Formats: sequence, C-alpha cells, structure tokens
Amino acid sequence: EIVLTQSPGTLSLSPGEGATLSCRASQSLSGRYLAWYQQKPGQAPRLLIYDISSRATGIPDRFRGSGSGTDFTLSITRLEPEDFAVYYCQQYDISPRAFGQGTKVEIK
Amino acid sequence: QVHLQQWGAGLLKPSETLSLTCAVYGGSFTDFYWSWIRQPPGKGLEWIGEILHTGDTNYNPSLKSRVSMSVETSKHQFSLRLTSVTAADTGVYYCARGGGKTFPDYWGQGALVTVSS
Repeated sequence: EIVLTQSPGTLSLSPGEGATLSCRASQSLSGRYLAWYQQKPGQAPRLLIYDISSRATGIPDRFRGSGSGTDFTLSITRLEPEDFAVYYCQQYDISPRAFGQGTKVEIK
Repeated sequence: QVHLQQWGAGLLKPSETLSLTCAVYGGSFTDFYWSWIRQPPGKGLEWIGEILHTGDTNYNPSLKSRVSMSVETSKHQFSLRLTSVTAADTGVYYCARGGGKTFPDYWGQGALVTVSS
C-alpha cells in the first residue's frame, strides 16, 4: 500500500505570489501514475494534473506538475483569487489508490 | 460531454446499509473503471474502491469487509453498498470515472450521507 504525504498542511500566500506544494509517496511509483486535484468548498474535486505533469483540459499553464519516483510537486505561479482552495495528490499506480491529506492554499 | 449523476438515501441509522447509484451519461462505459470516493466533514478524500464493466473490483482494505460494488452495463450505472454503517461513515460520497491505471477525471456532484440515531 502506498501512502502519500502532502506538505505543508497550509500555505498562506497573497495573490500574485507563487506556491509550491509537495507530495511524497512511501514507495516509488512504477510509472507516471500521479494526479493533482483542486477542491473548493461545497464542490467536487477538479482534475488539474495527471501523469505527473500533464494539464487537464482547460487548466491554465500557471499550474505545473513535476517530479518522479517518490517526490512530486505542484507549482502555481502568480496565484489568482480563484486558486485559493485545497489541493490533493493521488496515486493511481496500485490499489488502494490513495489520496494525500491535502494542502490548503489560503489568502494571507 | 461526460456527466455523472448520483443518488441514494441521505440519512441512515447506525447498522443500516448505505446504498448509492451513479449513472453515466456520455462517453464509453466499457472503456473505464468507475470509482467511489468519500469525504468526511471537514476532512480529506478517501478512496473506497473501483469497478470495471466486467464486474472486476478493487476495494480499500480498510472497508473491504463491508463494501461491495456492482455494475449494470446496459443502463450505464454502477452502485455502492456499505453495510453496518456508523457515524464514522458520515460524509459526502462521490462517484467518478477512472480507476485502474487511470485517473478519476469526471466526478459526480456528491451525495451527503449522514449516519445518526
């Protein structure tokens, strides 16, 4: 079973700043089986990034995924007001296809 | 355009069985796994399990003794059953397209299930 650990728990930033979110897996993924989701209150999660670094349809290029093996990063350049939300990583390599515990990006 | 519509009982008593169904509109039903994911109030996402149109399933070991999933391919529907619910099973339950070696990309609107005596 793969456990995903996200850090930090909360990021307090101002609009226009950049954000770096980390997701660490307890064992190396066998392929590019990592996704990132954004969730706002009262809404279902929205797919941002799949296969570590591919942006989902309609996702702006200020969202960038990177990493390999056990260490993965979601970077958001120039935070827009609509980017303040909770972000989750998920591995879909092996079952159970666990999520990280989330990182909240809040307005400073 | 893919759309998932889910429904089921929203209020249960402890020891009852949770039952939710998700209908898929648009896209292929047989090319994908279909997943259930839940979220307790104020907490993170928990993967419950996945099912293929063939009926092949994978479940979260933490729920495996109580969970079952089924699929009705002709109706493009899949379902979740969770037995012997407790207050710890309270939360929003999502259905989603994706699973296996693919990522959930389309999600249902979520269904709030409350377990209370």
